[in-house]
Amino acid sequence: GQSLEQPSEVTAVEGAIVQINCTYQTSGFYGLSWYQQHDGGAPTFLSYNALDGLEETGRFSSFLSRSDSYGYLLLQELQMKDSASYFCAVRSSNTGKLIFGQGTTLQVKP
Amino acid sequence: DAGITQSPRHKVTETGTPVTLRCHQTENHRYMYWYRQDPGHGLRLIHYSYGVKDTDKGEVSDGYSVSRSKTEDFLLTLESATSSQTSVYFCAISESGLTSTDTQYFGPGTRLTVL
Repeated sequence: GQSLEQPSEVTAVEGAIVQINCTYQTSGFYGLSWYQQHDGGAPTFLSYNALDGLEETGRFSSFLSRSDSYGYLLLQELQMKDSASYFCAVRSSNTGKLIFGQGTTLQVKP
Repeated sequence: DAGITQSPRHKVTETGTPVTLRCHQTENHRYMYWYRQDPGHGLRLIHYSYGVKDTDKGEVSDGYSVSRSKTEDFLLTLESATSSQTSVYFCAISESGLTSTDTQYFGPGTRLTVL
């Protein structure tokens, strides 16, 4: 089967760094994606890792270790607007379908 | 922002009635998807389409059917709505559904309540 595990909630203060972990099990693997969703809004794409290592996009970075079936999203210099839910997602190379984790709600406090 | 609209945005209906949700895109993307989002379950794929009249099931397809007669429109139908189908429904599109770098763009969502 296919499954993803990520923490349900994370709290951090403004200006801090937070890491959201994601472990996955999938039949075949193309890559790990991250999506952000503000309350009541549509999910939006943040980043994608196909190979091991760190991908950086501004304040956000994403890491992948295929041997450990593990990845994380790193958010630096947290801002209040970063309060949102963050979903990891994997694409199965067998079915091509994108499978989402249950999401991590990040609350940034002043 | 990708040109994706969903209609209606909100709907309240009664158990046993048919419901159709519409997704419309102006991006000419080949792939279209319907997801439902429930607390504690994240986003779950209901059905997807890889071209006009080409559709396939996702992980939670029971009780739902879809149709795609034009590239720009993807319809989701609940033949006989049940309370368990109360959810937020998101449509998504992508250029290439099976490539590794494919990014999905989501519509604004439809909040459906079945009483």
